[in-house]
Amino acid sequence: NAGVTQTPKFQVLKTGQSMTLQCAQDMNHNSMYWYRQDPGMGLRLIYYSASEGTTDKGEVPNGYNVSRLNKREFSLRLESAAPSQTSVYFCASNPPAGTDTQYFGPGTRLTVL
Amino acid sequence: GEDVEQSLFLSVREGDSSVINCTYTDSSSTYLYWYKQEPGAGLQLLTYIFSNMDMKQDQRLTVLLNKKDKHLSLRIADTQTGDSAIYFCAESRGNTGKLIFGQGTTLQVKP
Repeated sequence: NAGVTQTPKFQVLKTGQSMTLQCAQDMNHNSMYWYRQDPGMGLRLIYYSASEGTTDKGEVPNGYNVSRLNKREFSLRLESAAPSQTSVYFCASNPPAGTDTQYFGPGTRLTVL
Repeated sequence: GEDVEQSLFLSVREGDSSVINCTYTDSSSTYLYWYKQEPGAGLQLLTYIFSNMDMKQDQRLTVLLNKKDKHLSLRIADTQTGDSAIYFCAESRGNTGKLIFGQGTTLQVKP
């Protein structure tokens, strides 16, 4: 099992450009999440998907869109990137029952100039 | 993460014990977690505790939960330089599967 994978690992964008961050998990998990991590602020939830075909806003959804393409894949899209979106983005997933433990990907480091 | 609070920094000497503290607000949290993040990496689950437990021990790690005060702590015995990392506590919210994270505590271990 690869667990949770994310691409790309690093990205530099100019203000106004768009891009999609990809996330996939091979653990047959139902729920998937996108977080951003900023210094001194911990992880903040952007969007989540409780199951294939459903998505919901988290704490900081503005400026982002998501797609739950299938059970394995959950992508995060920045339509018009802004410097305030410079951050490290993490994808996570958790299984349908049990302890709510989330398993994290390695992260995507995004810089918006 | 404004509902889960941690101090931002802790420095200890190698071989000492480290205690990282966390306070949370949701008394209905089912599970509380400790995650470790090494530089440039994602978050790795260290341990978790069910809300009806007071203590959980796992090798060098001891988790204490004071539900009355909504206080969680992680004790690392015989701290090693490899323990240097950021430690996040998190609480689960109801049956949504969502976690609320603290700001993270940077643990610095000096030789």
